[in-house]
Amino acid sequence: GAGVSQSPSNKVTEKGKDVELRCDPISGHTALYWYRQRLGQGLEFLIYFQGNSAPDKSGLPSDRFSAERTGESVSTLTIQRTQQEDSAVYLCASSLMGPTSGLLYEQYFGPGTRLTVT
Amino acid sequence: GENVEQHPSTLSVQEGDSAVIKCTYSDSASNYFPWYKQELGKRPQLIIDIRSNVGEKKDQRIAVTLNKTAKHFSLHITETQPEDSAVYFCAAIISGGGADGLTFGKGTHLIIQP
Repeated sequence: GAGVSQSPSNKVTEKGKDVELRCDPISGHTALYWYRQRLGQGLEFLIYFQGNSAPDKSGLPSDRFSAERTGESVSTLTIQRTQQEDSAVYLCASSLMGPTSGLLYEQYFGPGTRLTVT
Repeated sequence: GENVEQHPSTLSVQEGDSAVIKCTYSDSASNYFPWYKQELGKRPQLIIDIRSNVGEKKDQRIAVTLNKTAKHFSLHITETQPEDSAVYFCAAIISGGGADGLTFGKGTHLIIQP
């Protein structure tokens, strides 16, 4: 079946502009995650959605970052007033269920969106 | 929160030799430890994982060991091949804990020398 998809694959924006990144999880996956990967670095967890539960936003780097998910489908990550330090690859992942379920399921990653802020 | 340290940052081995990558974690409540392989420009892909109720797991040339007392886990690749060249990430998570994602190590760039 189809894997996790993300759009756009690349985004170049000017400092100060807002950007919106999209993630389509695997159908039937109730858990969705956003991570950030700076060049040559590991993945940094940003936010996790489980079903219709309100997410814990404490992992978001600043109040310029926000994320939404409609039910158990598409999610968008929005970065307002982008800064150069926001340049990174933003990866989305989904799993059948997430850690708050008490069960362990593999996270499948999307191809990422490479964001460059000039 | 959880902290995962990974060593070495770069590892170069001769084709056919073994490679070992080591990780330590800080939160004794972590109970799931996956390893991801990421080739240049591609998405991370799970290669093996281990749960806290076992000490070792093997899948063909890849094995992972877990020492819960020392909070260490390691990836072992035997008979390395050129296609094993990639960046490998270890990670940890508490399932049944809070609303967190995986905590990743900083990655190990594995280079297989022909």
